[in-house]
Amino acid sequence: EAAVTQSPRNKVAVTGGKVTLSCNQTNNHNNMYWYRQDTGHGLRLIHYSYGAGSTEKGDIPDGYKASRPSQENFSLILELATPSQTSVYFCASAPGHYAEQFFGPGTRLTVL
Amino acid sequence: GDSVTQTEGPVTLSEGTSLTVNCSYETKQYPTLFWYVQYPGEGPQLLFKVPKANEKGSNRGFEATYNKEATSFHLQKASVQESDSAVYYCALSEGNNNAPRFGAGTKLSVKP
Repeated sequence: EAAVTQSPRNKVAVTGGKVTLSCNQTNNHNNMYWYRQDTGHGLRLIHYSYGAGSTEKGDIPDGYKASRPSQENFSLILELATPSQTSVYFCASAPGHYAEQFFGPGTRLTVL
Repeated sequence: GDSVTQTEGPVTLSEGTSLTVNCSYETKQYPTLFWYVQYPGEGPQLLFKVPKANEKGSNRGFEATYNKEATSFHLQKASVQESDSAVYYCALSEGNNNAPRFGAGTKLSVKP
């Protein structure tokens, strides 16, 4: 049973549109993370959370918002999507920063 | 700030040859170090982690030693297999107030 799931798995959006990427974890982990993965850049941290109601900015937060309404769910929101946000997005959970992160399968987002 | 630098890919090897992926880091404290592996179409997964300086981690024939003096954590395998073809990420975590940081990833292709 997959412990970290993401939806949708693929998304095509238009420039200027709103996009919400969802992540659910059944690990009961406090920490959750959103990364984007681009060739040559590896995994770059967008936002993370220490628990319900908490969101923190990562290294590249501009153009993205995050929401953590519950222990299990962590969303990434692109209010005004741009083509530069075309990427593969990964969600992860962990008990703490020192611990192993468990990643979801990724969401491929294309902004036209 | 913290940073992780690893061997630039892609790396192409023949089955049975040895692998070294270099990883160097910069940090003000003593981090926990990780190697993650990402197979095609999947999210990254932990290969192993090493929390203490001068200790070695290993899994599936891969190993790395946490070298505090050289600030390095090089990944090695004596004899690679085609099934080792993947992207390998070096990562560090400095503490529970600092989110983990990943290198740019090294894509390995192993030819039969």
